[in-house]
Amino acid sequence: AQSVTQLGSHVSVSEGALVLLRCNYSSSVPPYLFWYVQYPNQGLQLLLKYTTGATLVKGINGFEAEFKKSETSFHLTKPSAHMSDAAEYFCAVSRGNTPLVFGKGTRLSVIA
Amino acid sequence: AAGVIQSPRHLIKEKRETATLKCYPIPRHDTVYWYQQGPGQDPQFLISFYEKMQSDKGSIPDRFSAQQFSDYHSELNMSSLELGDSALYFCASSLPSRPLVFGQGTRLTVV
Repeated sequence: AQSVTQLGSHVSVSEGALVLLRCNYSSSVPPYLFWYVQYPNQGLQLLLKYTTGATLVKGINGFEAEFKKSETSFHLTKPSAHMSDAAEYFCAVSRGNTPLVFGKGTRLSVIA
Repeated sequence: AAGVIQSPRHLIKEKRETATLKCYPIPRHDTVYWYQQGPGQDPQFLISFYEKMQSDKGSIPDRFSAQQFSDYHSELNMSSLELGDSALYFCASSLPSRPLVFGQGTRLTVV
């Protein structure tokens, strides 16, 4: 079975500060890992994904994540937070065509 | 670019009524997924279809059923609605081994 654990249900950062959202996965096979963002009353938008190859993946809106097998982690980072980054972020895992399994989500607040 | 279309966007039903949610996937996407997201919760997988056949089943109640039609659109049928069924219902579509693309969701409120 696959699962992800997001550490911290709510993260608050100042505008311009580093954003770090933590995700650890559990998978019996090499996982496919994803980060999705959800704005209020909106659908889920893919930020970035890792399937194979380069372990540092870059996504939209300046976000990136690094797959670390030794730490079973896939943390999401952004060097400088913007007010528009305030949203709910979900880490998710799957394997090929298996359905996505989501973490509990982390709400990011950005303080001016 | 065409996205995943869900209808209706909002739906209010009374307890014990039925509801039908529709999903129109991105053209040429052959897999459709349904997810339920309760208030403040993470999305929970309900059911998926590949080439009009059920491919995976998650935590879908027996009161719910779904199907994918010949034009690849999908419908989620929900009967004997309960207050706890109030949630956002997302449909997503994809090509094999490609990321899911989610629709905007249908917000179902059961009163």
